[in-house]
Amino acid sequence: SAVISQKPSRDICQRGTSLTIQCQVDSQVTMMFWYRQQPGQSLTLIATANQGSEATYESGFVIDKFPISRPNLTFSTLTVSNMSPEDSSIYLCSVEGTSGRLWSYNEQFFGPGTRLTVL
Amino acid sequence: GQQLNQSPQSMFIQEGEDVSMNCTSSSIFNTWLWYKQDPGEGPVLLIALYKAGELTSNGRLTAQFGITRKDSFLNISASIPSDVGIYFCAGQLTGNTPLVFGKGTRLSVIA
Repeated sequence: SAVISQKPSRDICQRGTSLTIQCQVDSQVTMMFWYRQQPGQSLTLIATANQGSEATYESGFVIDKFPISRPNLTFSTLTVSNMSPEDSSIYLCSVEGTSGRLWSYNEQFFGPGTRLTVL
Repeated sequence: GQQLNQSPQSMFIQEGEDVSMNCTSSSIFNTWLWYKQDPGEGPVLLIALYKAGELTSNGRLTAQFGITRKDSFLNISASIPSDVGIYFCAGQLTGNTPLVFGKGTRLSVIA
């Protein structure tokens, strides 16, 4: 299994500022995913981050707003730029790894999330 | 894009009761997953389904992969207070591809 930590766990930010969220994994993984979970809503994929290449963004998300870094196989950052109240969400990092359970081949593991509030 | 319709949105049940929730999709998935999210935590995988028609159990949880590959259900038997949380279904087309999530079922258990 993969253990994922995120920093910060929560933050309250002012409109127009930027916040960088860090994701650290305890093992090397090829692909890391960043999701957004708006209040009371489901998880929406922002982008897929591969080491050594540009992140791949989903429809509705752009690099200027959500720049991503992936400097090595255990670490990634997501920046929420020029924030507005609409960016208030939980941001989750996820990786795919071997679960070790008999009934599961690969499993997507999620970090605890970063709860962002923009005033 | 792909969407998953999950129902019900929320449930209030008595401890000891059985629970059923389901998920439907407008397109085919090759893997169906059920996650549980506790407050302040990321989702944790409960059950993974890889074959159409597959019925899989994990303790008090049972899930099935619909034969059309467009639906799945999750049953929880003899609910207990720690079952409280949000349950998400998710579909995946192939390995190492992103998951598509349903909107979640918020479960409350009354002791």
